[in-house]
Amino acid sequence: SQKIEQNSEALNIQEGKTATLTCNYTNYSPAYLQWYRQDPGRGPVFLLLIRENEKEKRKERLKVTFDTTLKQSLFHITASQPADSATYLCALPTGYSSASKIIFGSGTRLSIRP
Amino acid sequence: DAGVIQSPRHEVTEMGQEVTLRCKPISGHDYLFWYRQTMMRGLELLIYFNNNVPIDDSGMPEDRFSAKMPNASFSTLKIQPSEPRDSAVYFCASSPSAHSQGVYGYTFGSGTRLTVV
Repeated sequence: SQKIEQNSEALNIQEGKTATLTCNYTNYSPAYLQWYRQDPGRGPVFLLLIRENEKEKRKERLKVTFDTTLKQSLFHITASQPADSATYLCALPTGYSSASKIIFGSGTRLSIRP
Repeated sequence: DAGVIQSPRHEVTEMGQEVTLRCKPISGHDYLFWYRQTMMRGLELLIYFNNNVPIDDSGMPEDRFSAKMPNASFSTLKIQPSEPRDSAVYFCASSPSAHSQGVYGYTFGSGTRLTVV
């Protein structure tokens, strides 16, 4: 079955630097991959999606890459700010169909220090 | 739209008691999901519905858990009897139809923090 691996150790970054989070999956390459943000005491919030035929996707200060050869997605936050501190979750469908249920990685906690 | 609404926000109950968690999805969303989140296991999918019909309940831990969706605007997750190991945050999420799920992602509620003592 598909498994998602995210760095369980917290990532501490100086404000203004680029934060890079990694998501690896173990089985087949999914049709798309999603990234979510979760703040303490709240549910995850959808940030963006990248499809298997897209190498890179950008949204404001966020950039996501998808390498199906490495079975890896990288999530970048440029010009990081303390408000970016949160847990970031990678998610992907369990099957190739867009109707497949989505499973989540355990998330990486990001802390941006002033 | 007020988003996905869950109640209660917090629930503390004694072992053996019945617990009912409630969810109101976003109007017009065809899919509804129940997840459970713990430190040890992360976010686990318990069950999901499409147009009020349960599609996959393979994540439901055991027969003590049951979920219903009597109409498009309401779903419940029931645990009877509850046990201390059921303590977790339970999230409800909804999403549009399948072809746009990948584009819009899931919208989660704020969760119900369940503590069974």
